Amino acid sequence: GAVVSQHPSRVICKSGTSVKIECRSLDFQATTMFWYRQFPKQSLMLMATSNEGSKATYEQGVEKDKFLINHASLTLSTLTVTSAHPEDSSFYICSASPVQRLYYEQYFGPGTRLTVT
Amino acid sequence: ILNVEQSPQSLHVQEGDSTNFTCSFPSSNFYALHWYRWETAKSPEALFVMTLNGDEKKKGRISATLNTKEGYSYLYIKGSQPEDSATYLCARNYGQNFVFGPGTRLSVLP
Repeated sequence: GAVVSQHPSRVICKSGTSVKIECRSLDFQATTMFWYRQFPKQSLMLMATSNEGSKATYEQGVEKDKFLINHASLTLSTLTVTSAHPEDSSFYICSASPVQRLYYEQYFGPGTRLTVT
Repeated sequence: ILNVEQSPQSLHVQEGDSTNFTCSFPSSNFYALHWYRWETAKSPEALFVMTLNGDEKKKGRISATLNTKEGYSYLYIKGSQPEDSATYLCARNYGQNFVFGPGTRLSVLP
């Protein structure tokens, strides 16, 4: 149980284009979904938290107009990187937290490697 | 300061060796600590949720302990196998959000 899928796993796009990444909880409903970014040899850094039907909460320093997050249902959240630039190249990973978990457990997708050329 | 540290950054052990690594975190207002195993090209897999000072949890050959007063948790692997090769992450709760350590990359050599 507690499986999260993420697509695509790898994407290469040209500078100035937009890329959408999907995160789905396959066998549970997620109150909250999280988007992280990982730079080489660094920790997973939280970018934003999204609750179904609400606007996402972005961490300090994350541009909400560049990283658009939509959480349309209890099983789907999307991250759109708009007008991507080479500095947006990174590893993006999502997680989902099931409804009413005492310790807010998070279950992760496998991540998306974005390369902007 | 929301800082979670892990050491060592990486280690190599021989098959059959036992090993352990550390996660350290701010101890004030502690709620829970989560351990994950992350194999390349896969999703991080939840191993343990540690909540009480003195907690010890076990899953097969892997176990974890927790000291909330001094702000650390140990992860132990007994009799390491090549399939244990992965990055081990810890994360501390801050409300519903997690702050992750940088991970310990374990390589088990056959």
